[in-house]
Amino acid sequence: GAGVSQSPRYKVAKRGQDVALRCDPISGHVSLFWYQQALGQGPEFLTYFQNEAQLDKSGLPSDRFFAERPEGSVSTLKIQRTQQEDSAVYLCASSPVWPPGELFFGEGSRLTVL
Amino acid sequence: QQQVKQSPQSLIVQKGGISIINCAYENTAFDYFPWYQQFPGKGPALLIAIRPDVSEKKEGRFTISFNKSAKQFSLHIMDSQPGDSATYFCAASSNDYKLSFGAGTTVTVRA
Repeated sequence: GAGVSQSPRYKVAKRGQDVALRCDPISGHVSLFWYQQALGQGPEFLTYFQNEAQLDKSGLPSDRFFAERPEGSVSTLKIQRTQQEDSAVYLCASSPVWPPGELFFGEGSRLTVL
Repeated sequence: QQQVKQSPQSLIVQKGGISIINCAYENTAFDYFPWYQQFPGKGPALLIAIRPDVSEKKEGRFTISFNKSAKQFSLHIMDSQPGDSATYFCAASSNDYKLSFGAGTTVTVRA
């Protein structure tokens, strides 16, 4: 596709369920970032990859959050035992180069935990 | 702790008017200052960016002014149009490439 694609666009989970959010970056993009955006707030950094290498995961809120990009293209953000405070929009962004230049964001996956 | 403080939270401007959004930061290691535009239900899109070696950058109707000594930067939207109605985020990063975003400014342009 022409842009960064994220799925699902909307996810409702019961507290305690595990969820997986997928990101398809623009083809050939080396850098991939995950951000969390709470309602009415700016995005907050979670983690980033250079190809398949996860270089920084300092923004992940807890060990319930896990991200991977095993083949250097598609990435998955997994949240185990979801809590209400995990409710947010999860944004994926990619850049064609490393170090990253302009980031191209997807439309996000909105997670609601009941 | 929010590393980039953005104001105002919202503003309303008449068509053809000027919108001004201000941001301030503390981390002197920041060396990249982008502005993003976000429409409801969409991801942020890069509007314009500046590095601290210049004090101003203009692209079309959008201008960034940068004051390194004051650790402040601002976005000016000239000749505001209804299509500019969106939320604008300032951001900053250093050589760790992690963008720190402001809280956002919702701009409404009245026709």
